[in-house]
Amino acid sequence: DTAVSQTPKYLVTQMGNDKSIKCEQNLGHDTMYWYKQDSKKFLKIMFSYNNKELIINETVPNRFSPKSPDKAHLNLHINSLELGDSAVYFCASSQGPGTSGQETQYFGPGTRLLVL
Amino acid sequence: RKEVEQDPGPFNVPEGATVAFNCTYSNSASQSFFWYRQDCRKEPKLLMSVYSSGNEDGRFTAQLNRASQYISLLIRDSKLSDSATYLCVVNTNTGNQFYFGTGTSLTVIP
Repeated sequence: DTAVSQTPKYLVTQMGNDKSIKCEQNLGHDTMYWYKQDSKKFLKIMFSYNNKELIINETVPNRFSPKSPDKAHLNLHINSLELGDSAVYFCASSQGPGTSGQETQYFGPGTRLLVL
Repeated sequence: RKEVEQDPGPFNVPEGATVAFNCTYSNSASQSFFWYRQDCRKEPKLLMSVYSSGNEDGRFTAQLNRASQYISLLIRDSKLSDSATYLCVVNTNTGNQFYFGTGTSLTVIP
């Protein structure tokens, strides 16, 4: 059973298009995240949701809009795609804030986005 | 200043060697510390949590020095399969925000 799954795995699209990436976790976790990993391999937090509520919203262009219909799903919609959006986007989940102090994050396989 | 800093390497070591990575963090209020491993074109996976007293898991030893705000990972008897990028991760436990280092690349050579 896949713990954290993302679709699609690869996404190639033209500049200016709107696209969505979906994420689902079956671990019963309360918190989900979106990260962006650029060509320099730096993994940067974009958003975090806890029980469907936004708790972290880093400095990300407002073309990026996360949506959490329930605590097992966190989707990412991107409007007006730009060349600089090309990266690998990872979804992750963890049990939740402040429960044990040793929260492990479980990552999805990543979505490789290429904007042409 | 970055929240978490690591030497990106690359570290190229022969099989059987011992290799150590260090990582420093800037927020003294940080509470939780981890090493993750990322293979090429894959997702990061937890290697081990780092506890104040230091902890060992087989060939891997992690240590935390709160006074100097650094974390270390020691790999003994390196195997070819240890080749990967090792990510240092720090959690402030405020809003459950995880900060990742840029990773240290390790290649174990036959």
